[in-house]
This record gives sequence, structure tokens and C-alpha cells, in this order.
Amino acid sequence: EAGVTQFPSHSVIEKGQTVTLRCDPISGHDNLYWYRRVMGKEIKFLLHFVKESKQDESGMPNNRFLAERTGGTYSTLKVQPAELEDSGVYFCASSYSRQGNTEAFFGQGTRLTVV
Amino acid sequence: RKEVEQDPGPFNVPEGATVAFNCTYSNSASQSFFWYRQDCRKEPKLLMSVYSSGNEDGRFTAQLNRASQYISLLIRDSKLSDSATYLCVVALYNFNKFYFGSGTKLNVKP
Repeated sequence: EAGVTQFPSHSVIEKGQTVTLRCDPISGHDNLYWYRRVMGKEIKFLLHFVKESKQDESGMPNNRFLAERTGGTYSTLKVQPAELEDSGVYFCASSYSRQGNTEAFFGQGTRLTVV
Repeated sequence: RKEVEQDPGPFNVPEGATVAFNCTYSNSASQSFFWYRQDCRKEPKLLMSVYSSGNEDGRFTAQLNRASQYISLLIRDSKLSDSATYLCVVALYNFNKFYFGSGTKLNVKP
């Protein structure tokens, strides 16, 4: 079974440019999450989709970040315009809603560098 | 206050040693608890879920103390391959939102 996949694995862009990250969750997982880790800090929550709906986007840092999950399958996270402080590793995770402990499976991350 | 707090370490231990990590969480409504392992420049991967009764998987033992709101991870007979960052993860069941600790770095040395 394919795991969570993210594209691209690395991206280097200039300040002011736009970047779109993509995440393909595990098939059948209705929960999809975006997280990011900036240098030296802990992994922080950005937002959570349940199917195509945004359940919680309290972690989105500002309106330069836009996430979508059309059709409840893959998701994109667009940063426009990118700033230097957006550099970090962006992780996507997915999980299946069920009672009890619900493990989240992570993608390999997209390493974003804004120069 | 952070949702999940961990000692960042690093913990430097010799092979064969026993090492323990603790993690505290602030939200008493937390329902699910996990230890994830993250190798350098890799994604976090589930090491083990933590159940109320405590659970063991080989050399790894996890405990949950709801009254004091902490979870622990004990690693016995450390191997070189155990060197990694161990992330404490807590989820609120209703929202399936996961909160991460900053991670505890473990270095197992020959």
C-alpha cells in the first residue's frame, strides 16, 4: 500500500515567489493534516481537513498560506508570496477516523528554502 | 504554555544502557498518545501508541499517567540504531488534531 506522498521533496524559491506543495494521503484516509518544522523548533500544526472540509486551520500563520483539498483526495498548500521565515520542512499526514488511538502517517516532507 | 513539553536532550548513552524520556501535556481532554521516532532529515514514524494500561514492544515500554498528565518511554539495552529524535505526540480525539513535543534527541554511542 502506498504511503503518504509529498511533492516536491525540495524547493528553493526567491522571496516574493509562489510555491505550491502537494500531498497525496493514504487512500481512504479522510483526515489530512499539514504541519511544518522551522529551524530549531518543534513540529507545529497548520491545519486539518476532514475529507474536503477544513476542520481546523488555527495553525495557519497568515493569509499568505492557502490550503485546499478538492474532492477530499489530495491537498495543496500554496504560499504566496513566500517570505524568508517560511523556510522549513512541511509535512503532510493522514489518518483514518476511528475510535481509539488513531495513528497519523507522515509523508517524507517538503523542504522549502526561501532565499 | 506549550501543549506538549519534552526535554530536548541530547541524551548521550552507551550501548546497552537503559534510558527514559518523559513528556508532559497540558490538555486534560487529550485522548490519544504516541511516541514517534524521527531520524535526521526524515519524516516522523510511529514507534508506539501509548495505552492507559501501559504497553511494551520488545525493548520499548511506554507508560501513561493521566493524573499527572505525562507519558514516558523507556528503552532498554540501547542499540546504536536507536539514535534518533523521539517525539511525544498527543491528540484530542474529537478533533483528531495532533500536538507534537519538540522532541528528545538520543545518541547511543559504542
